[in-house]
Amino acid sequence: GQNIDQPTEMTATEGAIVQINCTYQTSGFNGLFWYQQHAGEAPTFLSYNVLDGLEEKGRFSSFLSRSKGYSYLLLKELQMKDSASYLCAVLDYGGSQGNLIFGKGTKLSVKP
Amino acid sequence: GAGVSQTPSNKVTEKGKYVELRCDPISGHTALYWYRQSLGQGPEFLIYFQGTGAADDSGLPNDRFFAVRPEGSVSTLKIQRTERGDSAVYLCASSLTYAGGGKVEQFFGPGTRLTVL
Repeated sequence: GQNIDQPTEMTATEGAIVQINCTYQTSGFNGLFWYQQHAGEAPTFLSYNVLDGLEEKGRFSSFLSRSKGYSYLLLKELQMKDSASYLCAVLDYGGSQGNLIFGKGTKLSVKP
Repeated sequence: GAGVSQTPSNKVTEKGKYVELRCDPISGHTALYWYRQSLGQGPEFLIYFQGTGAADDSGLPNDRFFAVRPEGSVSTLKIQRTERGDSAVYLCASSLTYAGGGKVEQFFGPGTRLTVL
C-alpha cells in the first residue's frame, strides 16, 4: 500500500533551526516534493528531490535517501511567517506526469 | 501571469443536491489535477487530465463524482446526490507537460470549500 508518515505537529523558536522528517512506502517513486500550506490557503511548492542527497534553496533545504524511504525538510533562521503546515508528497507515477501522494502534513508553530 | 483559479470559493448545499466546481488552470498547462482535502489531512488525489482526456481517475471515490475538461483548459468537477461526507476543500492544480522526466511542479489553486448540510 501507499504510506507517507510525518509528525503531526512541531513547535520551534524564532531564529532557530527545525527539521521535519518524512518516511514513505509507495509502489513507485519518481520524486519527493515538499509543499508549504498556510491555513486556508493553497499549497505552495518548496522543494523537489529525485536523487539522494541535499538540495539547498535559501533558508530551506531538503534531503532524500531513497534506500531508506526517508526525507527531511530543514528550515533555518525561522521566522514567524514560517508557521504553516508542511506537506511531504511522493510522485508515484512513471513517465512525465502523475499524481502526488501526500502525507497528512506537519503543523509547525514558530514562537517568539 | 494569473495562477490557477477556482470558483466558487465557498459552496454550501443540502444533502442530495448536485454541485459543480470549476477550475481554470494556468494558461499553457496541459496537465490538470483534482484533489480533496479534509480538515487536518493532506490533499487526496481524485483525478488527473492530460489535455482533454482523463489519464487517471482512480481516486474518484464513487460514481457520484465525475469531471470533464472538454477543451483541454477549464475543468469542472461534478458531484451528484451530495452527502455530508463530501464536505471538504476541493483543490485543483496544473502543471506543464515535459518530455524525458524531471521536476513537474504542480501549481495549486485556492480551493473550493464545499459544505454539505
